[in-house]
Amino acid sequence: QMTQSPSSLSASLGDRVIITCRASEDINYFLSWYQQKPGQAPKLLIYDTSTLESGVPSRFSGRGSGTQFTLTINNLQPEDFATYYCQYSGAFGPGTKVDFK
Amino acid sequence: QLQLQESGPGLVKPSETLSLTCSVSGGSIVMSGYFWGWVRQPPGKGLEWIGTIDHSGAPYFNPSLKSRITLSGDTSKNQISLRMISVTAADTAVYYCVRDRGNHVIAWWGQGTLVTVSS
Repeated sequence: QMTQSPSSLSASLGDRVIITCRASEDINYFLSWYQQKPGQAPKLLIYDTSTLESGVPSRFSGRGSGTQFTLTINNLQPEDFATYYCQYSGAFGPGTKVDFK
Repeated sequence: QLQLQESGPGLVKPSETLSLTCSVSGGSIVMSGYFWGWVRQPPGKGLEWIGTIDHSGAPYFNPSLKSRITLSGDTSKNQISLRMISVTAADTAVYYCVRDRGNHVIAWWGQGTLVTVSS
């Protein structure tokens, strides 16, 4: 089971945003993050906790281990307003919606 | 460039069977190291992993759906298929065809197809 917090947040351009994902058990480092915009398929951002997928801007970063993980977005850009999901194995978190303040 | 294209009926009646096909281009479903499968998303809700097959056709299922689903691959057509029996309104969702490169890391997604379960 994966949980995320917050479920939603409002932010401004240039802000730093941190999203937390918690696992119900130790999942080592096998945690991925996805970004989904309305009407689009999800997009892989980060895998293995902190490895950026090719083509993903460096303002995205991930860290954590065991049961607690974070996705950080630095210098929030207009294209970053979206819903973010963490995932371990076949379980996705419930999502965190980032919208414009 | 890998492309995944879902196809199938957009409307299924309750208690009937949902059948979807994913046509794969730009890659082979028998390529070792990859898993091919499905993720769904009910309208306005989150993502749910349904299951995958590996290059040999061995299936891996979401335990909560295992009793109702069949996953298969057609190597001659380079397609994978999902069959879900006894559907209810709760199965209404956008169904995405996906390629998992191991450890459930899904780097490739189809555009998704909406399936509505309604009489």
